[in-house]
Amino acid sequence: QVQLVQSGAEVKKPGASVKVSCKVSGYTLTELSMHWVRQAPGKGLEWMGGFDPEDGETIYAQKFQGRVTMTEDTSTDTAYMELSSLRSEDTAVYYCATDNWNYLVYWGQGTLVTVSS
Amino acid sequence: QSALTQPPSASGSPGQSVTISCTGTSSDVGGYNYVSWYQQHPGKAPKLMIYEVSKRPSGVPDRFSGSKSGNTASLTVSGLQAEDEADYYCSSYAGSNNRYVFGTGTKVTVL
Repeated sequence: QVQLVQSGAEVKKPGASVKVSCKVSGYTLTELSMHWVRQAPGKGLEWMGGFDPEDGETIYAQKFQGRVTMTEDTSTDTAYMELSSLRSEDTAVYYCATDNWNYLVYWGQGTLVTVSS
Repeated sequence: QSALTQPPSASGSPGQSVTISCTGTSSDVGGYNYVSWYQQHPGKAPKLMIYEVSKRPSGVPDRFSGSKSGNTASLTVSGLQAEDEADYYCSSYAGSNNRYVFGTGTKVTVL
């Protein structure tokens, strides 16, 4: 059974960056394909990007390209999502989730990122 | 890539059935058999309920079923129970650079 435990809530000012972590247990990160999804308050789910095992690269949704970086530390089985140039519209709960060829099986508990001056 | 279209709400009495639609295009729902459905209770993370249009993960009751016709996928919850009251989101593969396009979400109320 995979468990994903995310880092705690963050408050950031506009223009700053945030880095959210997602610690894996039950499996090693190399056995998984990690993706990130966000959800603004009262809104729907929005895919941000994730690892594509077919070509071994990380793919990003066009909307976030140039502003998001997803990395992994296999020594600690921890995935990271860093979003830069934050604006108020980035206020959301950010989830990590494991991809199993086009469906998301295991989800982290979510990390609330609030962007406010 | 636009979000898939779902009705904002659906409801039914305990024991009844409710069906939620998810409409996309031939570039997503209609083009691939990679439609999945997620249940989300307030303040909780989404939970996978259906994958690859109609397959149920282990542990998901067989009251939940999925189907697809053309550009529209559907989730049916039969024998509604109080714990089924939640938001439901569909998702579809839409190409190698659009791995997940989500629906707008449907709030299911058990009357």
